[in-house]
Amino acid sequence: NAGVTQTPKFRVLKTGQSMTLLCAQDMNHEYMYWYRQDPGMGLRLIHYSVGEGTTAKGEVPDGYNVSRLKKQNFLLGLESAAPSQTSVYFCASSYSGGHYGYTFGSGTRLTVV
Amino acid sequence: TQLLEQSPQFLSIQEGENLTVYCNSSSVFSSLQWYRQEPGEGPVLLVTVVTGGEVKKLKRLTFQFGDARKDSSLHITAAQPGDTGLYLCAGADAGGTSYGKLTFGQGTILTVHP
Repeated sequence: NAGVTQTPKFRVLKTGQSMTLLCAQDMNHEYMYWYRQDPGMGLRLIHYSVGEGTTAKGEVPDGYNVSRLKKQNFLLGLESAAPSQTSVYFCASSYSGGHYGYTFGSGTRLTVV
Repeated sequence: TQLLEQSPQFLSIQEGENLTVYCNSSSVFSSLQWYRQEPGEGPVLLVTVVTGGEVKKLKRLTFQFGDARKDSSLHITAAQPGDTGLYLCAGADAGGTSYGKLTFGQGTILTVHP
């Protein structure tokens, strides 16, 4: 029962570098989401997908891009990392939208110096 | 934009005490969920309440959904150190057009001292 798997778990980037965060789910869920979690700010939605080949902007999309080429994978890219993107990133998935809840991954802690 | 206000933000209690966490909004939700998050891990779903006035129990935890489906509470009886963690409430939009996006509260950090 892997559920939602995120890689890597930790990463340190220099300002201006790029990277991709990987999220994989094995539950055949249609919906996938990327959130960031910052102290005092709660969980904020970056981008989401309602199915393979679809993506949409969330609450804080600037500086991020996403792709959902396969149903089980949702990638989050940072093209030119900035210190403001230092955060913990969570991927989540759900079968029927948010009505019955999400399954979250264990997170990626990203530090941009 | 829907908002969920969660209170209190911090709660520090002794083992054996009871506590209640509140989640309030001016918006109506189709469902409301409670999650628990431990350090270094992602949130884990505890319960989903769907019907106004619904009460669900999970061992020493009691969850209630307000009659108008705008608020919820989490009550823990005889708290134990193992209950320590971040508790998050989240509401699902009742409008049906938000593609499953949840609105999260800011969270309550609970510390239970032995």
